Amino acid sequence: AQTVTQSQPEMSVQEAETVTLSCTYDTSESDYYLFWYKQPPSRQMILVIRQEAYKQQNATENRFSVNFQKAAKSFSLKISDSQLGDAAMYFCAFGTGGSEKLVFGKGTKLTVNP
Amino acid sequence: GAGVSQSPSNKVTEKGKDVELRCDPISGHTALYWYRQSLGQGLEFLIYFQGNSAPDKSGLPSDRFSAERTGGSVSTLTIQRTQQEDSAVYLCASRKRGVVSSGNTIYFGEGSWLTVV
Repeated sequence: AQTVTQSQPEMSVQEAETVTLSCTYDTSESDYYLFWYKQPPSRQMILVIRQEAYKQQNATENRFSVNFQKAAKSFSLKISDSQLGDAAMYFCAFGTGGSEKLVFGKGTKLTVNP
Repeated sequence: GAGVSQSPSNKVTEKGKDVELRCDPISGHTALYWYRQSLGQGLEFLIYFQGNSAPDKSGLPSDRFSAERTGGSVSTLTIQRTQQEDSAVYLCASRKRGVVSSGNTIYFGEGSWLTVV
């Protein structure tokens, strides 16, 4: 069974600074996808970024980028120039290519200090 | 609609009562998911619908939990004889079609917060 581990229950960052959230996963599959979701107090999960395992290049979306280390089964999220609106729970998720569902980690609560 | 809509937003119920949670997915989305989020935990998969069929209901924790989808649209999650451990946020999500590799994004609703007292 696939598992996703987020070892940082809480993180904090100063506004305009950079923060990195960690995620590791365990799988024997070769065709899989990794995701970071943001959950603000409204509870709605919002997709931040997606990475295909077959791609060597790390995904980027504006201020958000990932460090995908396939051999180490590590998938960290870097947020640059942190903004107050980035404060939320962040969840790492995993899905195999032929599956319909995602497996989620327990989340990291990010606080952004002004 | 514009997004995934869930109702009720919050529900407090007495132990032993039955509850129904409703999900209205994005129009045209054939895939629908229910997840449960307990306090301090990640999202736990419950069930997946493709159209009106449920190819994967492996996450339903007990036979007190059931779900149906009608008309390829609205879905209802029913919890019978609720227990305190059922207290959680129940999130619904939908996707246009296909599996993870299709590239289609999963869109989530804001969830139904269930409290069993």
